Amino acid sequence: ETGVTQTPRHLVMGMTNKKSLKCEQHLGHNAMYWYKQSAKKPLELMFVYNFKEQTENNSVPSRFSPECPNSSHLFLHLHTLQPEDSALYLCASSQERSSGLDSYEQYFGPGTRLTVT
Amino acid sequence: AQSVTQLDSHVSVSEGTPVLLRCNYSSSYSPSLFWYVQHPNKGLQLLLKYTSAATLVKGINGFEAEFKKSETSFHLTKPSAHMSDAAEYFCVVSQNTGNQFYFGTGTSLTVIP
Repeated sequence: ETGVTQTPRHLVMGMTNKKSLKCEQHLGHNAMYWYKQSAKKPLELMFVYNFKEQTENNSVPSRFSPECPNSSHLFLHLHTLQPEDSALYLCASSQERSSGLDSYEQYFGPGTRLTVT
Repeated sequence: AQSVTQLDSHVSVSEGTPVLLRCNYSSSYSPSLFWYVQHPNKGLQLLLKYTSAATLVKGINGFEAEFKKSETSFHLTKPSAHMSDAAEYFCVVSQNTGNQFYFGTGTSLTVIP
């Protein structure tokens, strides 16, 4: 078990639905990430949060809306998605680099397999 | 600028033979380097990491990697492949400030019985 959990593991939604993905880390980290993994494409960084503040938004469409209420929880709110948004969505956490610790590698959750119909 | 190139998109080996997965990186600063493994429908699991200590890094499941600054490489090796090693492998580079991690495109490892 990696210490990063994601729910749900599988999600099928229509293009007009609204749903949310949840990520929780039990590792005491203060940086959290959302990635999108599509078939035959490199891993795409979507959002980064450090100490609950968003520090990266890699030109992600507004139909994806992140929320980080505290350092342990991260959500990805979804609405009016397109079929091309079908992918594996991975959450990760790490120590924030300026913490001075030597160990800042990312720990990943198992992912949510999203299918948009 | 940081980037990672995984030189092979697919590698196939016979069970019991050595594994070599190649990774070259580009970094403006002293980098940290990582290898992750991803089994089907699973998240990424850290295999090993290099963070400016010993250049030969040992990881889990018998894998190791050697940091070669002169060649800007961080190749992953294992002396003897096991069927359970069949998976996707990602090389990742990060500089020592900020929270940016740069992923390679992945190498799919097939192990033939």
